[in-house]
Amino acid sequence: EPEVTQTPSHQVTQMGQEVILRCVPISNHLYFYWYRQILGQKVEFLVSFYNNEISEKSEIFDDQFSVERPDGSNFTLKIRSTKLEDSAMYFCASRGDSTNQPQHFGDGTRLSIL
Amino acid sequence: AQTVTQSQPEMSVQEAETVTLSCTYDTSESDYYLFWYKQPPSRQMILVIRQEAYKQQNATENRFSVNFQKAAKSFSLKISDSQLGDAAMYFCALLNYGGSQGNLIFGKGTKLSVKP
Repeated sequence: EPEVTQTPSHQVTQMGQEVILRCVPISNHLYFYWYRQILGQKVEFLVSFYNNEISEKSEIFDDQFSVERPDGSNFTLKIRSTKLEDSAMYFCASRGDSTNQPQHFGDGTRLSIL
Repeated sequence: AQTVTQSQPEMSVQEAETVTLSCTYDTSESDYYLFWYKQPPSRQMILVIRQEAYKQQNATENRFSVNFQKAAKSFSLKISDSQLGDAAMYFCALLNYGGSQGNLIFGKGTKLSVKP
């Protein structure tokens, strides 16, 4: 069964540095998402992406964050000048072209900011 | 604003027994979907079951079933014949698709332990 894959599984970064989290969505999916889960808290929506542009973003997704689909397969989340509070699990998800299709999640990237 | 509430931070069940996880939600939309996702220690978010709001019939997937009460905005998950592999965090999620791309709104989760 096709899967969403995320790399790396764990990223440790110094505060103030830039980090790029990578995702390969399921190949025929058209909608892409990033979610964040701070330890012990609920999963929170960050951003959705369709047709090479952001379609929706939450209040969390400020100017520090950006997303990109640099080629036909990858979907990246960049965090500029990371802060301690950016430490969290970051999940990528994708779905097909019908809104009622479920989102399929990757295994997540654990981001630790030191 | 849409919200999802899971009032049980932790639950425990004996192997082979039945357990019910609670979820309530709030939305002003008439069309929406509800999901239960499972997150085992391996961290992956796995879809367990989903329910379309316009369907009155409760969804079932093998040992997993839901009790969907639309008027009460309640969406509980029942796990029958619990197995050790069912131990995980369970998240209830609401999907609105009226005009948006359909981002998920999650509850805080319920940690389920299964005792042998």
